[in-house]
Amino acid sequence: AQSVTQLGSHVSVSEGALVLLRCNYSSSVPPYLFWYVQYPNQGLQLLLKYTSAATLVKGINGFEAEFKKSETSFHLTKPSAHMSDAAEYFCAVSDPGYSSASKIIFGSGTRLSIRP
Amino acid sequence: DVKVTQSSRYLVKRTGEKVFLECVQDMDHENMFWYRQDPGLGLRLIYFSYDVKMKEKGDIPEGYSVSREKKERFSLILESASTNQTSMYLCASSFPQTYEQYFGPGTRLTVT
Repeated sequence: AQSVTQLGSHVSVSEGALVLLRCNYSSSVPPYLFWYVQYPNQGLQLLLKYTSAATLVKGINGFEAEFKKSETSFHLTKPSAHMSDAAEYFCAVSDPGYSSASKIIFGSGTRLSIRP
Repeated sequence: DVKVTQSSRYLVKRTGEKVFLECVQDMDHENMFWYRQDPGLGLRLIYFSYDVKMKEKGDIPEGYSVSREKKERFSLILESASTNQTSMYLCASSFPQTYEQYFGPGTRLTVT
């Protein structure tokens, strides 16, 4: 069965510092992987997605993630944090058992705080 | 741009009331989803639909039902609201096989 584990429910970094949010997945088939961002009192917005093309995926707002099959990881990074990056981030993996319904499974989320 | 709208941003209902949450998407997506979001638990799937009048239970369907009479609209129904259904409810839609879901702004429901 597919699953997603996000390490760290809360991450705090200084403005200008590297952002690293960790995600490990479990999948019986080659997965599609996603990172979504949720700003306060809003819905989720897609940051980036991996769909078996390039292993380094670039997304919006300067974020990128690298698919590492050997480590079953899809960590999210940004070289320099900005105050506007403060939000909750969700990693997600495709669930092929429901391919006609494009079901995905979400991690429990990581709240990112930025210190001035 | 894909647009997913939800009928209310905030809703307060009393225990035992029947509650309707509406979701409309404008991108002709076949698939639609209802999630609830609670702190520390991430998003949990309540129900999803892959076609008009077709529905499947998700991970936590108890106490909920859904209706999809038209392709663009997917309704979540709380038959008899209870305090443990106080939560943020998120609707999403997608095309088949793409897995990329588009989300509405959410409805924060409080049951008192």
